Amino acid sequence: DTGVSQNPRHKITKRGQNVTFRCDPISEHNRLYWYRQTLGQGPEFLTYFQNEAQLEKSRLLSDRFSAERPKGSFSTLEIQRTEQGDSAMYLCASSFGEGTGGFYEQYFGPGTRLTVT
Amino acid sequence: KNQVEQSPQSLIILEGKNCTLQCNYTVSPFSNLRWYKQDTGRGPVSLTIMTFSENTKSNGRYTATLDADTKQSSLHITASQLSDSASYICVVLNFGNEKLTFGTGTRLTIIP
Repeated sequence: DTGVSQNPRHKITKRGQNVTFRCDPISEHNRLYWYRQTLGQGPEFLTYFQNEAQLEKSRLLSDRFSAERPKGSFSTLEIQRTEQGDSAMYLCASSFGEGTGGFYEQYFGPGTRLTVT
Repeated sequence: KNQVEQSPQSLIILEGKNCTLQCNYTVSPFSNLRWYKQDTGRGPVSLTIMTFSENTKSNGRYTATLDADTKQSSLHITASQLSDSASYICVVLNFGNEKLTFGTGTRLTIIP
């Protein structure tokens, strides 16, 4: 399968613990995006990378959240000191594009479902 | 504030029937509008992408329309199948950045 993959698919953690999710994009894609989706809502943009550079961050990405893409390939999203409000599906997407405002299709992974107890 | 609103919130129809889902947006400046299908527990999958100059675009049994003047779009599904049961999300891309604004989706259920 050459699509976007995410690990783990499910994560249950206790409040206050740190968690890290991984996203492996489609291999030739230079852009990688993170979204958060809560039940019954559409995904919300968190951040995106072009190669290894983090180009945009949403105000939703508090200081407890950090994302990296060190070699311009896979990316990790870490949440420190998790809170119950962090419970959501975390989606990763990738695309190949240059410039802005284009037609670049974003291909989504299956998501990581986080439950904070 | 950039917003995308969808209606209805949920819809139940009989297999074989047609349906139309609505989307209104206030995203500006506008680049393009996309419709995604999202099965439960899965990531969204793109159905169509439309720019302001396109009025209609089809993908099999799915036909999307766009009126850039009124900032409205619709997704028409013809001859529905059980596998069409999913959430359908309208998404708008801002011109000048890569930020997608998602609607809350319409939950479509097809019953036999």
